[in-house]
Amino acid sequence: DTGVSQDPRHKITKRGQNVTFRCDPISEHNRLYWYRQTLGQGPEFLTYFQNEAQLEKSRLLSDRFSAERPKGSFSTLEIQRTEQGDSAMYLCASARGSGRNEQFFGPGTRLTVL
Amino acid sequence: GQQLNQSPQSMFIQEGEDVSMNCTSSSIFNTWLWYKQDPGEGPVLLIALYKAGELTSNGRLTAQFGITRKDSFLNISASIPSDVGIYFCAAPLNTGTASKLTFGTGTRLQVTL
Repeated sequence: DTGVSQDPRHKITKRGQNVTFRCDPISEHNRLYWYRQTLGQGPEFLTYFQNEAQLEKSRLLSDRFSAERPKGSFSTLEIQRTEQGDSAMYLCASARGSGRNEQFFGPGTRLTVL
Repeated sequence: GQQLNQSPQSMFIQEGEDVSMNCTSSSIFNTWLWYKQDPGEGPVLLIALYKAGELTSNGRLTAQFGITRKDSFLNISASIPSDVGIYFCAAPLNTGTASKLTFGTGTRLQVTL
């Protein structure tokens, strides 16, 4: 396994700008998750894909957030009109399609909104 | 919101000492996962537990799935400086295999020489 990769690792943006993050899951994993983590807290679930289908979204995912996984491989998370409250670590995780709940995380993208 | 309570919140120990931490909930879970997170990095899966009463080891780490299914424990033996980090417990919110995870608030471990 090459592991889950995320790009960029860090992003600094001004309030009101749009940002897009990318996640490449472990190649044979068909489940992909996005989480958000703020300082001093554990990760919180945002959304989940099974192959290319987005099956669940958290109430944390406001209408400024959109996620896609067009070919069932990599995924993107876009935040429009960023706000200072969006500053956080955005984590991607992937898992196999059957069996157990073991999710493997990428290194995260640290977003800072000025 | 968070449904898992971790204790202690933080701990300072000396190198070579054993460490114990736990994770409790008012809900029953079918799976417990333990992760370690270093600063600026994503969580790394340490141990997964799937059966009440199960005891599983990974090197110097040992985790147990509580028999009530409402708690789990992680022990680290003979701690070393690279054990420093934040340890999170996590559990799936749904019974299906595709479930999102809920995480505890973490136990921050610091090891002194």
